[in-house]
Amino acid sequence: QVQLQESGPGLVKASETLSLTCTASGGSISRYYWSWIRLPADKGLEWIGRIYTSGTTTYNPALKSRVTMSVDTSKNQFSLKLTSLTAADTAVYYCAREIVVPPAARGPFDIWGQGTIVTVSS
Amino acid sequence: DIQMTQSPSTLSASVGDRVTITCRASQTISSWLAWYQQKPGKAPKLLIFDASNLEGGVPSRFSGSGSGTEFTLTISSLQPDDFAIYYCQQYNSYSGTFGQGTKVEIK
Repeated sequence: QVQLQESGPGLVKASETLSLTCTASGGSISRYYWSWIRLPADKGLEWIGRIYTSGTTTYNPALKSRVTMSVDTSKNQFSLKLTSLTAADTAVYYCAREIVVPPAARGPFDIWGQGTIVTVSS
Repeated sequence: DIQMTQSPSTLSASVGDRVTITCRASQTISSWLAWYQQKPGKAPKLLIFDASNLEGGVPSRFSGSGSGTEFTLTISSLQPDDFAIYYCQQYNSYSGTFGQGTKVEIK
């Protein structure tokens, strides 16, 4: 069973760039879609974007201008960069596997990392 | 963009109760809906996919129903381990939006 682990800084400054990495173990990331999702305090879950192992990306339109995702299949990792941070970006960030079965364009998230807390300081 | 609205926001119930949570989509999403359970400090756990299919390993007291714009998650007999926040998520559109969550708390 694949397990996911997020890594990255827990504290970042406003206006700077957040970089997070998700490392998979127990299986290959190939031929799946991989997403980043966040949970701000006292709010609901927000999907940030996803990447296929070919490198194809889809981003949440609300965050698209600030998000970049990449994948490194040799390291079984995928990454998130979020620029121009504000306090509103403070959240728990999760990586997750998305199961897409045609004809659906999207799918549910069946495997999640434990999450990493990111605080944006002014 | 498809909006997902869950009700109620908070639900107080006792062990053994039958519990129903509703999720409404702002436009039709066919059966492209999932339900998740999240406990404090833990990642969300997939319970139901395609509106009514139980994820492997999930107890049979959980069930999902609905199609189009209205969906329900039912817990037939609430257990102590079920006190948590529940989210629905549509995957009919690329936005993949979640509901705001329903907290099931001890009465």
